[in-house]
Amino acid sequence: QSALTQPASVSGSPGQSITISCAGTSSDVGDYNAVSWYQQHAGEAPEVIIYDVNNRPSGVSDRFSGSRSGNTASLTISGLQAEDEADYYCSSYISSSALSVFGGGTRVTVL
Amino acid sequence: EVQLVQPGAEVKKSGESLKISCKGSGYRFINYWIAWVRQMPGKGLELMGMIYSGDSDTRYSPSFQGQVTMSADKSTSIAYLQWSSLKASDTGMYYCARRYGRYFDLWGRGTLVTVSS
Repeated sequence: QSALTQPASVSGSPGQSITISCAGTSSDVGDYNAVSWYQQHAGEAPEVIIYDVNNRPSGVSDRFSGSRSGNTASLTISGLQAEDEADYYCSSYISSSALSVFGGGTRVTVL
Repeated sequence: EVQLVQPGAEVKKSGESLKISCKGSGYRFINYWIAWVRQMPGKGLELMGMIYSGDSDTRYSPSFQGQVTMSADKSTSIAYLQWSSLKASDTGMYYCARRYGRYFDLWGRGTLVTVSS
C-alpha cells in the first residue's frame, strides 16, 4: 500500500486560508468516507482534527474543514493563526485489509 | 482520564531484542484496536499494524510483516511491540494509538527508540 500524496509544504499569512491536498486511489481515499487528518506540533504526538472526511472532534476549531472529491481529499485552514504552524497528515482507511495508510505529511508555515 | 501511556525512551545496541509497551486506561481496552505508528527522525507517520486485544486479532502492514511482533495482555490493558534483533534503522519514535471507527482518536506520547551500532 503506497503512502498518500501530500505537498511537502504550504505557507500563508495570518488570516489567510490555505488548503492541503491528499491524493490517493480508488482503493483508499476514493473508496470510503474514511479520510482523517492529524496535526502534529514539533516534539508532540499527533492529534486528530478531522475524521470521516469532514467531521471535527469536540474541541477542534471550526477554522479546520475537510472535503473530498473523487480520489483526492483536502484540508482547509481558514483564518490562519500562528498556532496552526505544524505538520499535517492525512490518512485513509483501506477496506480490503482493515488497515490505514498515511500521507507523507505537509509542513504548514505561518509567514 | 482516558489515556495511553508509553515509556519515554529506550536505548539499545544492534542485535539486541526490545519490547515496548502501551498501557490503556480510563476506557474498556478490549473493545478497541491499538495501532503502532513509526516516525523515523525527520520523517512522516507510518502505520506498522494493529492488534485487537479482545481476540488477539493482529494485522501487519506489508512493510512491517515479519519485522516486528505485536501482542497484548487484556488482563493488564497493555499492548506490546517487540523486535527480536534490532537494527540501527529501527531508530525512531514509536506511537501507539487507539482506533475508533476508522480513525485514530487517542495517541500515546511515544517511545523514542535509539539503536546504536
